[in-house]
Amino acid sequence: AQSVTQLDSHVSVSEGTPVLLRCNYSSSYSPSLFWYVQHPNKGLQLLLKYTSAATLVKGINGFEAEFKKSETSFHLTKPSAHMSDAAEYFCVVSDAPGYSSASKIIFGSGTRLSIRP
Amino acid sequence: DVKVTQSSRYLVKRTGEKVFLECVQDMDHENMFWYRQDPGLGLRLIYFSYDVKMKEKGDIPEGYSVSREKKERFSLILESASTNQTSMYLCASTLKFLNTGELFFGEGSRLTVL
Repeated sequence: AQSVTQLDSHVSVSEGTPVLLRCNYSSSYSPSLFWYVQHPNKGLQLLLKYTSAATLVKGINGFEAEFKKSETSFHLTKPSAHMSDAAEYFCVVSDAPGYSSASKIIFGSGTRLSIRP
Repeated sequence: DVKVTQSSRYLVKRTGEKVFLECVQDMDHENMFWYRQDPGLGLRLIYFSYDVKMKEKGDIPEGYSVSREKKERFSLILESASTNQTSMYLCASTLKFLNTGELFFGEGSRLTVL
């Protein structure tokens, strides 16, 4: 069975410092992995995705994530935080080979990122 | 750009009322989803539709039903609203067979049941 764990429910960093949001997963197949961002009172927006190509994935707004199979991790990073990065971030795993099934898309519980001036 | 539109952003209803949440997407996506979002619980799948008139129960279907009469429209129905259905409801869509975790979301409908 697949699962995803976001290790921190809340992360607070100062503006201009690096961001690290941690995500671990388990999957029976070769998974696809995603990070989504949700700003207050908005829907979720795709930040980046890993689908078995390059292990280092670059996304929008300067974010990137590295797929590490040996550690079953897909941590999200950004070199320098900006005030506009304050939001909720969700790690998602999907290992539905072939036919699309919604039950195989699993969301983490989310990490709230706060940015201190 | 794909646009997923949820017609009601904020609703306040009374216990026992019937509630309709509407979602429309404009990119001819086969798959549409209704999620419920609560603090600390992430997103939980209520129902999923992979084609017109086709539906699958998600993780928490109790107290909800859905309707998909046209490809672009997916409705969530609360037959008799209860206070424990106060939540943020998110609609999403995606192409069939393509990057199954790559979802396009609406902006959400925040429902309060008094």
